[in-house]
Amino acid sequence: KAGVTQTPRYLIKTRGQQVTLSCSPISGHRSVSWYQQTPGQGLQFLFEYFSETQRNKGNFPGRFSGRQFSNSRSEMNVSTLELGDSALYLCASRRWSGGSTDTQYFGPGTRLTVL
Amino acid sequence: GDSVTQMEGPVTLSEEAFLTINCTYTATGYPSLFWYVQYPGEGLQLLLKATKADDKGSNKGFEATYRKETTSFHLEKGSVQVSDSAVYFCALRSMSPLTQGGSEKLVFGKGTKLTVNP
Repeated sequence: KAGVTQTPRYLIKTRGQQVTLSCSPISGHRSVSWYQQTPGQGLQFLFEYFSETQRNKGNFPGRFSGRQFSNSRSEMNVSTLELGDSALYLCASRRWSGGSTDTQYFGPGTRLTVL
Repeated sequence: GDSVTQMEGPVTLSEEAFLTINCTYTATGYPSLFWYVQYPGEGLQLLLKATKADDKGSNKGFEATYRKETTSFHLEKGSVQVSDSAVYFCALRSMSPLTQGGSEKLVFGKGTKLTVNP
């Protein structure tokens, strides 16, 4: 079974631009979560989507947004990029079974560099 | 709120040495606990997990036991290999209120970089 895939793997943008990252979950997984990883702040939760609806959101400004499509694929968007947005953005998927066995599986990440 | 504290390292060991990476947590109730590993240039891979007190998760020679009384989930391996060199993250599952329909998120520790020398 294919794992979580993320595209693109690397991106270079300049301040003020916007960027869209894409994530395809494992087949059968209906939830997609996004995390930001930086050397200073570590791994931080951005948001979780299920059934095309944002279910939870972390403590990030409104410049960070996302959406989920009917096939469970998800995109996240960052507008008006700042230098501090440079990070590895990780996507994770899970079944959304509600049980304790539900586990998040991560993709390889998209490395965003803002110049 | 929920939080995870783990020794940050870096940790440098010789091949076949014993490994312990400490992890403690603060949370409401009894969350599921995880260890993830990140190899250079890659995403996170689930290493092991435990869903209730006294559970022992194990995989690839790594073990961790869910200790409710000490709120800990320390990672151990009896004999490390060069291929174990990576960053290890302890995490807990934090559930959202019912109003958010069963959403959850992972709360991570800062990570521990392990280097194993031949």
